[in-house]
Amino acid sequence: SQTIHQWPATLVQPVGSPLSLECTVEGTSNPNLYWYRQAAGRGLQLLFYSVGIGQISSEVPQNLSASRPQDRQFILSSKKLLLSDSGFYLCAWSTIGADTQYFGPGTRLTVL
Amino acid sequence: AQKITQTQPGMFVQEKEAVTLDCTYDTSDQSYGLFWYKQPSSGEMIFLIYQGSYDEQNATEGRYSLNFQKARKSANLVISASQLGDSAMYFCAMREDGGATNKLIFGTGTLLAVQP
Repeated sequence: SQTIHQWPATLVQPVGSPLSLECTVEGTSNPNLYWYRQAAGRGLQLLFYSVGIGQISSEVPQNLSASRPQDRQFILSSKKLLLSDSGFYLCAWSTIGADTQYFGPGTRLTVL
Repeated sequence: AQKITQTQPGMFVQEKEAVTLDCTYDTSDQSYGLFWYKQPSSGEMIFLIYQGSYDEQNATEGRYSLNFQKARKSANLVISASQLGDSAMYFCAMREDGGATNKLIFGTGTLLAVQP
């Protein structure tokens, strides 16, 4: 069966510091991968998606970037965090051509 | 532009009763998909149920059913026999069709509280 992991689970970082969040999927090959952000009390906003290694599409211009160095690994990064980057970050995967996205446990980021 | 609207910020329901969570959508696509996810306080998004735009039957998954009214562009979630563990945020989402990306657009969610 497929599983999706995210780490760290929680993170507190100062403004201006770098960021690296990791997401890995097990039990499937060549998945579509997604990064979402959820601000407090809000719905999910799609940040990036990837249909293959090295292929990244950005949905919202911002302080963040994403990379996919391996088939089942998706990384969210920032060189300098802003206060507005605080939120709950969720990674998701889906099979190409299938309908449903499955989410990881999320990373709660607080920027102080 | 595609849009999902959930007009109920919060709902209360008594244990063992049924509850309907509203969702309306806006799209010009003929082919699309509609989803409901549950988000408990732990934060993880749990997939509940899916309805394709060409599906003639309403989707059902255990105690969850999706009341799909295509002409009204609504996709309400019905939870039967509510349980205390059903207390959570519920999000309606729509898949943008076209290509292989399967991007989802989410509503703002409904917070459901099940009372004993």
